[in-house]
Amino acid sequence: NAGVTQTPKFRVLKTGQSMTLLCAQDMNHEYMYWYRQDPGMGLRLIHYSVGEGTTAKGEVPDGYNVSRLKKQNFLLGLESAAPSQTSVYFCAGAIADSYEQYFGPGTRLTVT
Amino acid sequence: QQQVKQSPQSLIVQKGGISIINCAYENTAFDYFPWYQQFPGKGPALLIAIRPDVSEKKEGRFTISFNKSAKQFSLHIMDSQPGDSATYFCAASEWGTASKLTFGTGTRLQVTL
Repeated sequence: NAGVTQTPKFRVLKTGQSMTLLCAQDMNHEYMYWYRQDPGMGLRLIHYSVGEGTTAKGEVPDGYNVSRLKKQNFLLGLESAAPSQTSVYFCAGAIADSYEQYFGPGTRLTVT
Repeated sequence: QQQVKQSPQSLIVQKGGISIINCAYENTAFDYFPWYQQFPGKGPALLIAIRPDVSEKKEGRFTISFNKSAKQFSLHIMDSQPGDSATYFCAASEWGTASKLTFGTGTRLQVTL
């Protein structure tokens, strides 16, 4: 099993450009999450999904959109990147009614 | 509003010593308190977790102490090793909220020889 994987690992964008981050899991996770990690701020929840076709806002959703068309994939989109979105992005998954989240390896995004 | 406060921000401990990281929470509905360990360039991984019905949980060299009345919990790493050098995050979750975690700001631990 690959677990939770993220694509790409690194990306540099210019202000105003768009991109999509892909999270894929083969652990039968019902729940999936997108976090951003910034120095001194821990991990903050951007959006999450409790099942295929469902999404919900987390703590810091502005500037991001998500889609969960298939159970195993959770996409995070940036429509118009801003320097404030420079961060490391982590995807995580969890089995329904289980507290434990399994994290992917992260994507380091730089917006210039 | 930061619901989980973590301290210290960084910690240096000699090999063989005890590392202690503290967290405090505000939401009394939280009922699950995990600690995650993160190595550079990697995603966080669950280290140990506790429910509020017990005051302590031990797994090997790692122990969580939990004080429900004070709304505090801490991670103790006994006989700290250089391989324990990592960033540690406390977190909290409330049942029925899609297992969402609220994280502390992290503690960078360095274990020196």
